[in-house]
Amino acid sequence: QAVLTQPSSLSASPGASASLTCTLRSGINVGSYRIYWYQQKPGSPPQYLLRYKSDSDKQQGSGVPSRFSGSKDASANAGILLISGLQSEDEADYYCMIWHSGAWVFGGGTKLTVL
Amino acid sequence: EVQLVQSGAEVKKPGESLKISCKGFGYSFSTEWIGWVRQMPGKGLEWMGIIYPGDSDTRYSPSFQGQVTISADKSTSTAYLQWSSLKASDTAMFYCVRLKDYSNSGGYFDYWGQGTLVTVSS
Repeated sequence: QAVLTQPSSLSASPGASASLTCTLRSGINVGSYRIYWYQQKPGSPPQYLLRYKSDSDKQQGSGVPSRFSGSKDASANAGILLISGLQSEDEADYYCMIWHSGAWVFGGGTKLTVL
Repeated sequence: EVQLVQSGAEVKKPGESLKISCKGFGYSFSTEWIGWVRQMPGKGLEWMGIIYPGDSDTRYSPSFQGQVTISADKSTSTAYLQWSSLKASDTAMFYCVRLKDYSNSGGYFDYWGQGTLVTVSS
């Protein structure tokens, strides 16, 4: 089982909100981890969006709009990237990442379609 | 402005060697860890390893240990990723990344190069 699992795709309408999940493998407690989120548009390198561990341990990437935010669902053992007020330019692949057992681990990515 | 500028696309044959580069601009190259991330065609991101240019301290992902060599030249602010014998399965996009806030809690990749596409085909 992968360390981080993301749904492969998600669709949402312009102006709506999208909640992208990053589920940690059983036995790895989401509460203990900083979760990092990246956005990658076709033909471009990933860009850092934000970090979330708790409301007192979070960081927004430089220039990243406040409509991108992070949270956690402890009951689901998952990190969440919430994008509010979806815009067509938000259509991209989104990756979560954690530092686990001395290595950086990425989720498989979620392709967000805005239509 | 921080920039990581990578060398151009490469087309190689299986068994050939290759060294790609990443030059840092706009920050103190010697005092920031720099790393490499692989993205195979249509796939996700995989961390390969990092290096501290100041003293060439290098850490590899277990998945890439022994498969590639990471090096850096602080005099030219350039990091390198090299293969001694390429395989078709090495075909991928490779990104250099700057590592920020490296500590016991890890850190994150705040700046990415534009990517170098390596194609290995007979």
